[in-house]
Amino acid sequence: RKEVEQDPGPFNVPEGATVAFNCTYSNSASQSFFWYRQDCRKEPKLLMSVYSSGNEDGRFTAQLNRASQYISLLIRDSKLSDSATYLCVVNTPHTPLVFGKGTRLSVIA
Amino acid sequence: NAGVMQNPRHLVRRRGQEARLRCSPMKGHSHVYWYRQLPEEGLKFMVYLQKENIIDESGMPKERFSAEFPKEGPSILRIQQVVRGDSAAYFCASSPPSNDGYTFGSGTRLTVV
Repeated sequence: RKEVEQDPGPFNVPEGATVAFNCTYSNSASQSFFWYRQDCRKEPKLLMSVYSSGNEDGRFTAQLNRASQYISLLIRDSKLSDSATYLCVVNTPHTPLVFGKGTRLSVIA
Repeated sequence: NAGVMQNPRHLVRRRGQEARLRCSPMKGHSHVYWYRQLPEEGLKFMVYLQKENIIDESGMPKERFSAEFPKEGPSILRIQQVVRGDSAAYFCASSPPSNDGYTFGSGTRLTVV
């Protein structure tokens, strides 16, 4: 089983749609969780951290379920500029970050 | 405050040549990580370094690849006798000692012809 698994997509959605990405991780000792965004041929950039209580940043909401080892990202009112690959990232203490392969999103006008 | 600086942005090497990729971490960051991304693939961890120390090299291929982070100067990822399969984007990231959330450089795209 892979350490971090994501649906690769692509997700093709119209502008204004709500889209949700899911991610599961295998190491129960993992403690920190993040969503990164990667545009085509660019470096990954931190989108948001994910907390057990859930957290929101504008149109973006991240959720963590430790019991199920499941992380989600919800994007509301999708914009064309949201088109990118979204990477689920997991941190276990004293080890480097582990990245999922990413979910590709295309927002269509 | 400059971010993570990688150079060169693009590197073309013939099979059998050596490739040297450089990474200067963000100011105040003492931890450096190298990741490789093959076309249409995710980021794969290669090596984690602090100044003058390799902390974790579990993702490094056993042969031809080496990394260093000297007391002075940038971190270097060195690939000897490159092969076509080494063609990829190589990203460097740095973090502060808290090791929580990385900042990535813009990457070096290596093409082996």
